[in-house]
Amino acid sequence: EIVLTQSPGTLSLSPGEKATLSCRASQSVSSTFLAWYQQKPGQAPRLLIYGASSRATGIPDRFSGSGSGTDFTLTISRLEPEDFAVYYCQQYGSSPPNTFGQGTKVEMK
Amino acid sequence: EVQLVQSGAEVKKPGESLRISCKGSGYSFTSYWINWVRQMPGKGLEWMGRIDPSDSYANYSPSFQGHVTISADKSINTAYLQWSSLKASDTAMYYCARHFTAVAPADYWGQGTLVTVSS
Repeated sequence: EIVLTQSPGTLSLSPGEKATLSCRASQSVSSTFLAWYQQKPGQAPRLLIYGASSRATGIPDRFSGSGSGTDFTLTISRLEPEDFAVYYCQQYGSSPPNTFGQGTKVEMK
Repeated sequence: EVQLVQSGAEVKKPGESLRISCKGSGYSFTSYWINWVRQMPGKGLEWMGRIDPSDSYANYSPSFQGHVTISADKSINTAYLQWSSLKASDTAMYYCARHFTAVAPADYWGQGTLVTVSS
């Protein structure tokens, strides 16, 4: 089973600042099979990024994903008030389980 | 409009059985797999398993294998998650989500079903 470790656990930033979130895998993950989700309190998760770097439909271009192998990054170029939430990475390769990272909370400073 | 509509909140006692549902609409139900994801109170997302509604082939995370059953009825565009004997530790929010192939991200999610197990 592939274990995904996200860091930091919490990121305290102000609107307008840049957020950099990390997701590290215990073994190599094809970049084709790495996604990022956003979850706000009381809501279901929402797909942001798939294939490590492709934005899902309707996702603003301030969100970008990068990485390969065991190290992946989600970057929010300039935080908007609605971006304060918890972010999860997930690998969804051919062999289940399709594990999630433990999440990074982006909170307002 | 694509929608996944889940059944309502449940309150059960330990040892009781339960089946919750996820009804898809606005798309070809048999063309997309359905995942189930658990979120315990204040915790992160845990992938439980998935099913292909076209043939009801399912696979599970080892963490959940044997404790839950995932099924689907393609005639009514509905997937299910069921327990034969609930434990207090099953208290959580459960989400269904669809994905296009066995190796695709979950692009639409249900609203979640809160299951509370308490004596």
